[in-house]
Amino acid sequence: DADVTQTPRNRITKTGKRIMLECSQTKGHDRMYWYRQDPGLGLRLIYYSFDVKDINKGEISDGYSVSRQAQAKFSLSLESAIPNQTALYFCATSDLPGLAFETDTQYFGPGTRLTVL
Amino acid sequence: AQKITQTQPGMFVQEKEAVTLDCTYDTSDQSYGLFWYKQPSSGEMIFLIYQGSYDEQNATEGRYSLNFQKARKSANLVISASQLGDSAMYFCAMREVSGGYNKLIFGAGTRLAVHP
Repeated sequence: DADVTQTPRNRITKTGKRIMLECSQTKGHDRMYWYRQDPGLGLRLIYYSFDVKDINKGEISDGYSVSRQAQAKFSLSLESAIPNQTALYFCATSDLPGLAFETDTQYFGPGTRLTVL
Repeated sequence: AQKITQTQPGMFVQEKEAVTLDCTYDTSDQSYGLFWYKQPSSGEMIFLIYQGSYDEQNATEGRYSLNFQKARKSANLVISASQLGDSAMYFCAMREVSGGYNKLIFGAGTRLAVHP
């Protein structure tokens, strides 16, 4: 089974609808992230959470909200979807860093392809 | 602000040959980390290799190696003995420390095509 799962994998919705994307992980990591990917722009950070009580905005948080329901679950919501939110959305997790200069590598879920008409 | 630049939108290589994907970065931090990820056509992001700014040796992971030139601020990915399955998008990323939090910033990616 995958360590980081995202549901749904694909979603088509209409402008103005509320959408929730869910992420679950079995890696036991404290840190979770939501990114979106647009063609030619790489990945951009939407929100991140370093534990259940810690939520932080990334570089493109407008129009999005998140909920960290448990250590293993981190949901992304679009309260009122608009067409320019059409993108590929990734959830990622990472462990707490150990010694200095550690990797704290981020591991990604399979992505959710969202289309807003 | 920190920045990652990948200047090659697309590259192609013959099967079994080596290829270098370029990545340059800009940071004023003394301690940072550089990552490479692979994104095949199926869409998932696969971690390939990591280089810490204080690592004296270039990182290697199987057929992947990272040519780290700190003075030039470059962290190029070298794939040896290319295989057809290496055809994918490749992203360079850097760990950014902001407000006490570690975050990744990504380059725009390079699409690699491996030809038989």
